[in-house]
Amino acid sequence: NAGVMQNPRHLVRRRGQEARLRCSPMKGHSHVYWYRQLPEEGLKFMVYLQKENIIDESGMPKERFSAEFPKEGPSILRIQQVVRGDSAAYFCASSPLRQGLAKNIQYFGAGTRLSVL
Amino acid sequence: GQQLNQSPQSMFIQEGEDVSMNCTSSSIFNTWLWYKQDPGEGPVLLIALYKAGELTSNGRLTAQFGITRKDSFLNISASIPSDVGIYFCAGQLIPQGNTPLVFGKGTRLSVIA
Repeated sequence: NAGVMQNPRHLVRRRGQEARLRCSPMKGHSHVYWYRQLPEEGLKFMVYLQKENIIDESGMPKERFSAEFPKEGPSILRIQQVVRGDSAAYFCASSPLRQGLAKNIQYFGAGTRLSVL
Repeated sequence: GQQLNQSPQSMFIQEGEDVSMNCTSSSIFNTWLWYKQDPGEGPVLLIALYKAGELTSNGRLTAQFGITRKDSFLNISASIPSDVGIYFCAGQLIPQGNTPLVFGKGTRLSVIA
């Protein structure tokens, strides 16, 4: 049973380019979360999605950042016109649809480390 | 926004020693979680706590959910070299919903053999 898969693991972009980060949730999971981690910091929530719906994007910067989780395929976090301050590790987590008293544990991928030159 | 204060920021201990770290919040959380992150990897869940006052163990790890719902601690007994890493506490507001996690800044643990 594969875990949360993120790719690429490392991504280098020049200022002004676009970055696309992909996340495939665990099998059977319908909820995806994106978090950003700056060096020496904890993870900060960005956005929470279900299939074809953005549920909570309160942690997303208002400009240049967008996320989607289409009916088919992985969730995508897209950063347009990257700047040096976007350099960070971006983590995706997934959790199952809650049924009964099942606890909604979030399982994390290994992350994508974005470096902006 | 909500913040979790995690302490200590870093620890250097001898192999075999016990470790204690804690997390406090200015607001109430209904779920507390402890994760460990190894270099270059994502966080891995160690212990989840769902009820105020709950004390839960996972091998050499023990964690407690504070009565006030505003704090939690994690203890590691008889540390070994593979305990090295960053330990994060995380709080979740709604225990039975799919909601984002609020993370502390982490405790960096180094174990000297």
